[in-house]
Amino acid sequence: DTGVSQNPRHKITKRGQNVTFRCDPISEHNRLYWYRQTLGQGPEFLTYFQNEAQLEKSRLLSDRFSAERPKGSFSTLEIQRTEQGDSAMYLCASSLGFSGGYGYTFGSGTRLTVV
Amino acid sequence: AQTVTQSQPEMSVQEAETVTLSCTYDTSESDYYLFWYKQPPSRQMILVIRQEAYKQQNATENRFSVNFQKAAKSFSLKISDSQLGDAAMYFCAYRAGQGGSEKLVFGKGTKLTVNP
Repeated sequence: DTGVSQNPRHKITKRGQNVTFRCDPISEHNRLYWYRQTLGQGPEFLTYFQNEAQLEKSRLLSDRFSAERPKGSFSTLEIQRTEQGDSAMYLCASSLGFSGGYGYTFGSGTRLTVV
Repeated sequence: AQTVTQSQPEMSVQEAETVTLSCTYDTSESDYYLFWYKQPPSRQMILVIRQEAYKQQNATENRFSVNFQKAAKSFSLKISDSQLGDAAMYFCAYRAGQGGSEKLVFGKGTKLTVNP
């Protein structure tokens, strides 16, 4: 297993378009997290899945954002009607159970630029 | 809501010397975890060190150690014998204990430069 994989690595889109990102966690990890990181800031939590159930969502996850993890394996994050303020790095992380923070593995992220 | 504050946007250190990065946090919870993460340029976030709030002993991992002051809500990272590979953004993060929120709350980060 090569870790948490995120695709694409970079995405440039025009304002108003829809975009979708994919995250493939470490195969045995049942927990999956999405974060957003803007320039000069630390990552901000967006949402969390345990298996296929979305159990926690930040208020940052507006109506234009939706995340799914249909079979408890990979996850997708979709942004509809993108805005320039959506430009950021979108990070995915996964873990196995509650490990008190250990085993929390991050992917390399998808950098979104909205023009 | 929990908050994490890193007051040093940038720090620099000479190779082989010691540097301390500061972090303060605010929480009303008694059970929680604190972390330092390293994010090299264009690379993934990796865990440097972790502290459980109920443990009084400060965590250490090789050249990395923390000074955890629970009453003061302070959690600083000391890097000894700094190496060029230590250059990166360092983020302090907070997580509630088991049964609490799953999210990590990050500070804004400190950019560490290591000079040869």
